[in-house]
Amino acid sequence: DSGVTQTPKHLITATGQRVTLRCSPRSGDLSVYWYQQSLDQGLQFLIHYYNGEERAKGNILERFSAQQFPDLHSELNLSSLELGDSALYFCASSGWTSGGVNTQYFGPGTRLTVL
Amino acid sequence: DQQVKQNSPSLSVQEGRISILNCDYTNSMFDYFLWYKKYPAEGPTFLISISSIKDKNEDGRFTVFLNKSAKHLSLHIVPSQPGDSAVYFCAANTNAGKSTFGDGTTLTVKP
Repeated sequence: DSGVTQTPKHLITATGQRVTLRCSPRSGDLSVYWYQQSLDQGLQFLIHYYNGEERAKGNILERFSAQQFPDLHSELNLSSLELGDSALYFCASSGWTSGGVNTQYFGPGTRLTVL
Repeated sequence: DQQVKQNSPSLSVQEGRISILNCDYTNSMFDYFLWYKKYPAEGPTFLISISSIKDKNEDGRFTVFLNKSAKHLSLHIVPSQPGDSAVYFCAANTNAGKSTFGDGTTLTVKP
């Protein structure tokens, strides 16, 4: 158990809908990362938050947005869903320190299926 | 431009033999490298890491080698066990804390 929790575990919805994925980081971790893993592909970095502030953006679509709340949990909002958004969405947290040491602890993921 | 590449999507080895997984990178600003292991239906888990000031780090059956001049790192698993069968991701960090992942290599260890 990594200490990172994600809800829901599975989500099935229709095209055009909007969903929210939730992540609670490990206790004490200030950084939260979101990744998308489509079928047979690698981890695509979406966005990084540190202590409530956006730190880095990857290949995140404009239809997607995220935020990190004062209690450090994070939500990833996906709107106007398309079939191609079906994927595993992982959240990771880290206790980032300077010097590049950034071991990320991953949650179990949310499997999103868009029908 | 993919900054971290794992050119072998899959690797199959016999139990007890050595598994060698490779990773190449292009960004010279990367200064910390990590390997993660992922089983189906689970999130990746941290395996081993290496700082750019070192060329080798060992942890039990797992050893990571870094060749900075070639911008290449490799993960050696010896002896390989069937439980090592998983997808292995290499990741590279800048000192700003951003991680870039490779696409992964699926390792199958045959009994």
